[in-house]
Amino acid sequence: AQSVTQLGSHVSVSEGALVLLRCNYSSSVPPYLFWYVQYPNQGLQLLLKYTSAATLVKGINGFEAEFKKSETSFHLTKPSAHMSDAAEYFCAVSGIGTGNQFYFGTGTSLTVIP
Amino acid sequence: GAVVSQHPSWVICKSGTSVKIECRSLDFQATTMFWYRQFPKQSLMLMATSNEGSKATYEQGVEKDKFLINHASLTLSTLTVTSAHPEDSSFYICSASDGGKEDTEAFFGQGTRLTVV
Repeated sequence: AQSVTQLGSHVSVSEGALVLLRCNYSSSVPPYLFWYVQYPNQGLQLLLKYTSAATLVKGINGFEAEFKKSETSFHLTKPSAHMSDAAEYFCAVSGIGTGNQFYFGTGTSLTVIP
Repeated sequence: GAVVSQHPSWVICKSGTSVKIECRSLDFQATTMFWYRQFPKQSLMLMATSNEGSKATYEQGVEKDKFLINHASLTLSTLTVTSAHPEDSSFYICSASDGGKEDTEAFFGQGTRLTVV
């Protein structure tokens, strides 16, 4: 069975401050982990993914995430928040034998304060 | 990346009517597509897995007779909401992957906002 937990349904940061969005996973198989961003009334756009290569993954728009097996975590970070980063962020897990079926966290809404 | 097109992007229908939503992979073949439902301010809930040429696999609690899924070709899957009711109003999103490798990202359609009045 696979699942993800996103701690904090709402996160507010000041423009230029560090962004940290938390994701913990549970998986009975080696996981593949993803972060997606969703803007209002739009589909999901992939930010980055971990697929058992480097544990520190760099994505688009300056985001990165680190896979920590010991902590079963895959937190998303960005050194300096921009106003355009305000959106909904979803962590997702899939894995070997799942047929590319994704399981999503409940999402974190990021607000950037000018 | 690969492109998944979903149509329509929004639809308003009367209660009791049926609505069809299309999901197309434009530049790749997708043997498997997924249909999700998203309520306001909530996450995506997987409704069903659509396999080309075979019956869809529905998640527990999803009514297969209400949400008809057809995956007639490698580039098209359709979701038909039959006898729609106001509680079916939601944001529906499809996804597809372009390869047999399971670490491939899923590409998502733009979503369809269904409002039943």
